[in-house]
Amino acid sequence: GQQLNQSPQSMFIQEGEDVSMNCTSSSIFNTWLWYKQDPGEGPVLLIALYKAGELTSNGRLTAQFGITRKDSFLNISASIPSDVGIYFCAGPAGGTSYGKLTFGQGTILTVHP
Amino acid sequence: GAVVSQHPSWVICKSGTSVKIECRSLDFQATTMFWYRQFPKQSLMLMATSNEGSKATYEQGVEKDKFLINHASLTLSTLTVTSAHPEDSSFYICSARDPLLAGGPREQYFGPGTRLTVT
Repeated sequence: GQQLNQSPQSMFIQEGEDVSMNCTSSSIFNTWLWYKQDPGEGPVLLIALYKAGELTSNGRLTAQFGITRKDSFLNISASIPSDVGIYFCAGPAGGTSYGKLTFGQGTILTVHP
Repeated sequence: GAVVSQHPSWVICKSGTSVKIECRSLDFQATTMFWYRQFPKQSLMLMATSNEGSKATYEQGVEKDKFLINHASLTLSTLTVTSAHPEDSSFYICSARDPLLAGGPREQYFGPGTRLTVT
């Protein structure tokens, strides 16, 4: 089945620093999604990308859909303590439904004040 | 905005017993709900798709008889872990699909999850 490989697995940064994480796939995805999960909570959608090359921003977050459709990255600028959490990339499993999602392994972000 | 709730938020049970987890869509009718499992520091893995009024569809490797799913109404799906064992300890997350937003990634809302610990 489809697999998403996300890196890095974890990051420890100082408040104010920029963060970059990426996600690669062995197969093509038609949509890339980035979620954030706070401890003990379900994931919340941050950004959705629909076409190759697309660059989309949501506040301090910027994500891009790779041209090959097999990768995506997420950048967070000027990090703040509330950015702490686990960030997941995801895509529709089998390209059929946004409900059945394949998730990456997640990037655990820790921000030191 | 749409909200999905889960109950309980955490539960501790003894090995061999069964535990039921509820997933509710609070302000929309969800014909389809999904159940995910997440082990510590790992990703979410889809367990099954729950369809209102019909049998659930399980992903490969998920035991149907162990994880019973019932979707009896448009706002409620339940997951029952039968004869629970310590290895079933995990974070169970449901999501609900809002049919009015169907066709886009924002159609799906995740619940806050249920932490199950089997002793």
